[in-house]
Amino acid sequence: GAGVSQSPSNKVTEKGKDVELRCDPISGHTALYWYRQSLGQGLEFLIYFQGNSAPDKSGLPSDRFSAERTGGSVSTLTIQRTQQEDSAVYLCASSIMVGQETQYFGPGTRLLVL
Amino acid sequence: SQQGEEDPQALSIQEGENATMNCSYKTSINNLQWYRQNSGRGLVHLILIRSNEREKHSGRLRVTLDTSKKSSSLLITASRAADTASYFCATFNSGGYQKVTFGTGTKLQVIP
Repeated sequence: GAGVSQSPSNKVTEKGKDVELRCDPISGHTALYWYRQSLGQGLEFLIYFQGNSAPDKSGLPSDRFSAERTGGSVSTLTIQRTQQEDSAVYLCASSIMVGQETQYFGPGTRLLVL
Repeated sequence: SQQGEEDPQALSIQEGENATMNCSYKTSINNLQWYRQNSGRGLVHLILIRSNEREKHSGRLRVTLDTSKKSSSLLITASRAADTASYFCATFNSGGYQKVTFGTGTKLQVIP
């Protein structure tokens, strides 16, 4: 596709339910990043992928958060047993390679946990 | 203070004036990037400056980098109402894992 896409664009869920967020990076981009942004705050780095591997998972807030990437393309971020503090906009970005290049961001998924 | 911290947190100027935002960071970096965000959604890349560069221009944007002070500034000249947005700096570290850190952002309001 022309840009990074994310789905769903909005998600409302009940506390305790699991959610899965999807990111489709720009074709050919080997690096993929997940961020979380709470209302009015900066971006919190969660995890990045180089190809299918995630060298740095240190940003994941808890073991309820996990992410995977298959085929060097689509990535899913899964939040298990959601809590109200998980409510935020989850942003995905991709770049040609890690570190040296511009990141292209998707529109984000706005998650609301009731 | 955290890596990639911008100041001021908020800035309000009249259309036509220049806007300057600053970013400070703590670790050695490969490059520093500035992004813009409208309405709390996806960020748009503005400009990238590498650690061996001191100044870069793109249209009405001018970015400086001082690695000795671990700081960068973004200047927007002749501001327009459409420049109203939040601006973030992002640093990419130069060692180990390629960790990227975004600052807390500067909220710019340009009054027509």
